[in-house]
Amino acid sequence: GENVEQHPSTLSVQEGDSAVIKCTYSDSASNYFPWYKQELGKRPQLIIDIRSNVGEKKDQRIAVTLNKTAKHFSLHITETQPEDSAVYFCAATAPLVSGTYKYIFGTGTRLKVLA
Amino acid sequence: AAGVIQSPRHLIKEKRETATLKCYPIPRHDTVYWYQQGPGQDPQFLISFYEKMQSDKGSIPDRFSAQQFSDYHSELNMSSLELGDSALYFCASSLRQGRNSGNTIYFGEGSWLTVV
Repeated sequence: GENVEQHPSTLSVQEGDSAVIKCTYSDSASNYFPWYKQELGKRPQLIIDIRSNVGEKKDQRIAVTLNKTAKHFSLHITETQPEDSAVYFCAATAPLVSGTYKYIFGTGTRLKVLA
Repeated sequence: AAGVIQSPRHLIKEKRETATLKCYPIPRHDTVYWYQQGPGQDPQFLISFYEKMQSDKGSIPDRFSAQQFSDYHSELNMSSLELGDSALYFCASSLRQGRNSGNTIYFGEGSWLTVV
């Protein structure tokens, strides 16, 4: 079945450094790729998303890139801060016949920003 | 802005008991998703509904059932509970967009289920 691979599973960076998380998807019908941040015991919250007709999107310190040919997308966080510490999930979504979307999440990356 | 409301936030059940979780989507949202998240794991998709009809089915056990009502709220019914059902259960909602627009899903705070 369809799946999303996410790497690395854990990532430690020094405050101020950059962090990169990579995901690869298998379903060629996927056309929407959101990223969620989840703090311990809390709900996943959308931080940025990208659609298949765009190659890159940036929002302040966060950027996402998409390579549809390679079925690969990445999250880039620059100037990391301790409050960026959390688990980050990527997702690949594909439209269903009903018009809703099938979400497949990656396995998550635990990011730790060291002060 | 109104968010996805889930209840109860915490519940403790014994093995073989039943439990019902409720989810109230963001106003005007027509699609509801249910996810199960074990400790240190990614959210596992259980089931989704669009306009009160089942839209997609994931790894939902046969002991579980769910439905979406006319007011778009949804309930997840879990019977014959097992220790392994202990998890954080998330409901998420979205508004159906066009096929090329992407449906952003927004999560509720989750319901912690502990089976003892």
